[in-house]
Amino acid sequence: EVQLVESGGGLVQPGRSLKLSCAASGFTFSDYYMAWVRQAPTKGLEWVASISYDGGSTYYRDSVKGRFTISRDNAKSSLYLQMDSLRSEDTATYYCTTANGWFAYWGQGTLVTVSS
Amino acid sequence: DIVLTQSPATLSVTPGESVSLSCRASQGISTSIHWYQQKSNESPRLLIKYASQSISGIPSRFSGSGSGTDFTLSINRVESEDFSVYYCQQSYSLLYTFGAGTKLELK
Repeated sequence: EVQLVESGGGLVQPGRSLKLSCAASGFTFSDYYMAWVRQAPTKGLEWVASISYDGGSTYYRDSVKGRFTISRDNAKSSLYLQMDSLRSEDTATYYCTTANGWFAYWGQGTLVTVSS
Repeated sequence: DIVLTQSPATLSVTPGESVSLSCRASQGISTSIHWYQQKSNESPRLLIKYASQSISGIPSRFSGSGSGTDFTLSINRVESEDFSVYYCQQSYSLLYTFGAGTKLELK
């Protein structure tokens, strides 16, 4: 059974940093691009960042470019999102997903709240 | 960025009705469109990939069509469990985008 389990969310002040993690199991992690998708409270889905099979290529939406860094450790079947210089508009539930074009598998999400 | 426009924003239907949800892309994207269902307080679920390809475990009443800029998700005979929000997403560009969603609600 495919499982994606996010962790690391919480309350953080504007301008501070937070690192999200996603532990994957039940599939060959290195066979998949991976991504983070977020959803602000009562809003729609928003793609944040993606990473290639070996981590050699990364892609970001403009609003997080230069502030967020996506990375992966295939030996640990883990995906990460380092979020720096956080803003109130980054408040959302962050989902870890497989991303070979479409988002087939999703985690349960971890809530990040940016507030003073 | 490729903009996806979903319509209508809200669709009120009675169980047993058949419905069509629209997703229009700001430029031609071949069939690089995927559809998701999100129930309240749950993670999204993939329904259809590449405009019309079915997904294992998804009921056959869900189907997709379209190419280029206009796409449709059809639900044949809506059931009570189908009342939720539906999103389209494009993968023509690696800078993925989602539509704003269509909420299917009980009339």
